[in-house]
Amino acid sequence: NAGVTQTPKFQVLKTGQSMTLQCAQDMNHEYMSWYRQDPGMGLRLIHYSVGAGITDQGEVPNGYNVSRSTTEDFPLRLLSAAPSQTSVYFCASSYGQKGRDGYTFGSGTRLTVV
Amino acid sequence: SQQGEEDPQALSIQEGENATMNCSYKTSINNLQWYRQNSGRGLVHLILIRSNEREKHSGRLRVTLDTSKKSSSLLITASRAADTASYFCATDEAAGNKLTFGGGTRVLVKP
Repeated sequence: NAGVTQTPKFQVLKTGQSMTLQCAQDMNHEYMSWYRQDPGMGLRLIHYSVGAGITDQGEVPNGYNVSRSTTEDFPLRLLSAAPSQTSVYFCASSYGQKGRDGYTFGSGTRLTVV
Repeated sequence: SQQGEEDPQALSIQEGENATMNCSYKTSINNLQWYRQNSGRGLVHLILIRSNEREKHSGRLRVTLDTSKKSSSLLITASRAADTASYFCATDEAAGNKLTFGGGTRVLVKP
């Protein structure tokens, strides 16, 4: 019962580099989302998906892309990293839509852009 | 400002004492959830209270919801050092398409 698995746990990027944060869940949850957590700002929604093949933007989508080719996987791609994207990123999934029955979170990816 | 805002921002208590934190929100909700985050870890779902419920218990946790005041409180009774964490409320807005998280309350339980 792995739950939500995120990789990598830590990453340092140079400005302008691209990378993909991986997220996988084994609970057959339809709804998955990506949040970023910054000091004093709580969690902000980047992108979400209501099921395989369907994605939509959250409140802070600029600079990020997502895809959902399978129910299990929901990768987050940084197109051209900027220092403002230094943050801790969390992937979360839920059985019900938009986490209304409670999210299961991954352990996070701490990203530093220099 | 955010939909859910916790108060206080930080709380320091002795082991065995109770810890109370509050969450205020602005719009109508379907439910309100509380999460715990230990340092360097992901958030863990603690308890969910629906808009038609006023109080809910889970072990040493007690959650209340007052929809007329648009506020909720989380009480941790007989706190332990292991309760040291940040606690977040999250609101499922009736008219929204996402959960909205507050900024959290940092709780330190001193042995």
